[in-house]
Amino acid sequence: DAGVIQSPRHEVTEMGQEVTLRCKPISGHDYLFWYRQTMMRGLELLIYFNNNVPIDDSGMPEDRFSAKMPNASFSTLKIQPSEPRDSAVYFCASMRGASYEQYFGPGTRLTVT
Amino acid sequence: GNSVTQMEGPVTLSEEAFLTINCTYTATGYPSLFWYVQYPGEGLQLLLKATKADDKGSNKGFEATYRKETTSFHLEKGSVQVSDSAVYFCALSKGGTSYGKLTFGQGTILTVHP
Repeated sequence: DAGVIQSPRHEVTEMGQEVTLRCKPISGHDYLFWYRQTMMRGLELLIYFNNNVPIDDSGMPEDRFSAKMPNASFSTLKIQPSEPRDSAVYFCASMRGASYEQYFGPGTRLTVT
Repeated sequence: GNSVTQMEGPVTLSEEAFLTINCTYTATGYPSLFWYVQYPGEGLQLLLKATKADDKGSNKGFEATYRKETTSFHLEKGSVQVSDSAVYFCALSKGGTSYGKLTFGQGTILTVHP
């Protein structure tokens, strides 16, 4: 199994640009989570999906952030427009229901200048 | 609401020393409890878990016991290795309408010297 796949691994962009982060969950997993990690705020849950449906998006910072899961094997997190305070490592994780075990991807390190 | 509190870090130990990282939680009912580990440059991975009171989770020489009376889930290892250097996160999951959602502690950085 390839594990959770995230792309790109690193993204450097200028303030005001649109950024799209991508995630491919493990096949057969029906939950998908998006997290953000910073030194100041630690690990924050942004949004999670069950069977491609958003369940809880209360962690999404503001309207500049949006997430979609068009099918069971793909999800995107978009930031438009990006700001320097969005600089962080963004993780995607997936889970098979009833297992309680989340599998994390390697993360995307985003730098907004 | 639910919360997890971990001991302040960073923790620095010599190889073969005994490790304890304290974790306490606040939650109603009976949450499931977890320890995740993050090695440098990688995502988190599950280290161990316990789903009911008095359960002991164990993996790779690490252990943690779910103590309902003290709302704790302390991580221990009898003899650490340099390869255990990482960030350790305690977490809980409540289930129900929040099924699958994890609440993480702030993380504890562990550095083991030869």
